[in-house]
Amino acid sequence: AQSVTQLGSHVSVSEGALVLLRCNYSSSVPPYLFWYVQYPNQGLQLLLKYTSAATLVKGINGFEAEFKKSETSFHLTKPSAHMSDAAEYFCAVRDTSGTYKYIFGTGTRLKVLA
Amino acid sequence: DSGVTQTPKHLITATGQRVTLRCSPRSGDLSVYWYQQSLDQGLQFLIQYYNGEERAKGNILERFSAQQFPDLHSELNLSSLELGDSALYFCASSVGFTTGELFFGEGSRLTVL
Repeated sequence: AQSVTQLGSHVSVSEGALVLLRCNYSSSVPPYLFWYVQYPNQGLQLLLKYTSAATLVKGINGFEAEFKKSETSFHLTKPSAHMSDAAEYFCAVRDTSGTYKYIFGTGTRLKVLA
Repeated sequence: DSGVTQTPKHLITATGQRVTLRCSPRSGDLSVYWYQQSLDQGLQFLIQYYNGEERAKGNILERFSAQQFPDLHSELNLSSLELGDSALYFCASSVGFTTGELFFGEGSRLTVL
């Protein structure tokens, strides 16, 4: 079964510093991978998606993620954190084994320090 | 605004009661997904419908049921409610069954007292 693992339930960075949120996937077939962001009291919003077209995927709000098959990773990065980036971030994989359901990681809460 | 509408936004009820949560997907989306988000369980997939038919089931309790109607809106019915059912329930939609990313509604927060 396909799955994703997010390392670090809480990450703190200073404003202007690099943001790195880690996600590793488990899949026996080429995966469809996603990053979503959830701001307080809101639903999840798509940041970016990987669908095998390019290994470096650019998303909204300056975020990007790189698909590394050798490391089974899909880490999310942003060169310079902004206070408005404080939110919870979810990595997800779409199960392509037949159900096509989306499986989410446990989430990483990003705190940005002034 | 994702285009996915969920009602009600907040609901407070007592143990043993039954509630219905409603979801209208984005215009043109045929797939509807239901997720439960709680502090201790994270985001749990409950059930998926595509064009009126159930296509996938996750960790959905027998006390819970759902359906998708011909106009594509969906309802999640929760019965014999327990304290542990208190959570945020999200609906999401996508254009197809095998394609398209999920678009989430803002959720229905259920509190069981």
